[in-house]
Amino acid sequence: AQSVAQPEDQVNVAEGNPLTVKCTYSVSGNPYLFWYVQYPNRGLQFLLKYITGDNLVKGSYGFEAEFNKSQTSFHLKKPSALVSDSALYFCAVRDPYGNNRLAFGKGNQVVVIP
Amino acid sequence: NAGVMQNPRHLVRRRGQEARLRCSPMKGHSHVYWYRQLPEEGLKFMVYLQKENIIDESGMPKERFSAEFPKEGPSILRIQQVVRGDSAAYFCASSPGVGVRNTEAFFGQGTRLTVV
Repeated sequence: AQSVAQPEDQVNVAEGNPLTVKCTYSVSGNPYLFWYVQYPNRGLQFLLKYITGDNLVKGSYGFEAEFNKSQTSFHLKKPSALVSDSALYFCAVRDPYGNNRLAFGKGNQVVVIP
Repeated sequence: NAGVMQNPRHLVRRRGQEARLRCSPMKGHSHVYWYRQLPEEGLKFMVYLQKENIIDESGMPKERFSAEFPKEGPSILRIQQVVRGDSAAYFCASSPGVGVRNTEAFFGQGTRLTVV
């Protein structure tokens, strides 16, 4: 069964500094990987995905993520964090031979300090 | 094109009552998924439906929970005889279908169920 680990509970970063949110996954075969962001009392917004092709994926709001097959990782990055990036970030994996169900990590709270 | 619409946004039920949560997928989407988010936890898959069919209900509790996606109208997640442990945010997501081009699911804003 597919699973995702997001090892840190909270990520604190100063505004303007690089932001990294870590994610490792476990799935049989080649994974489909996703990042979603959740603002308070809101639903999940899709940020980006890796399906195939280039390991570096660019998404919404200046975010990008790098797929690393050997390390089974898909870390989310942003070169310069904004205060408005403060939110809950979820990594998710889907088994491409499965039925579309997503397995989510527990989420990381990102706090960008002005 | 409206997004995934869930209602109500907030629902309060007394223990033993029934809760009915509704989800209208994005236009053109025929696949619906329900997830539950407990406090301080990530989202857990509950059930995956296509029109009139349950495809995967492996994440549904065995009792009191049911889901449907009729030919006409929204998908309904029904919780009978609610207990305090059912208090959570319930999210619905939809996608156009399976396949490489239809990989991401789009989420609604959720229904926050509080059982008192």
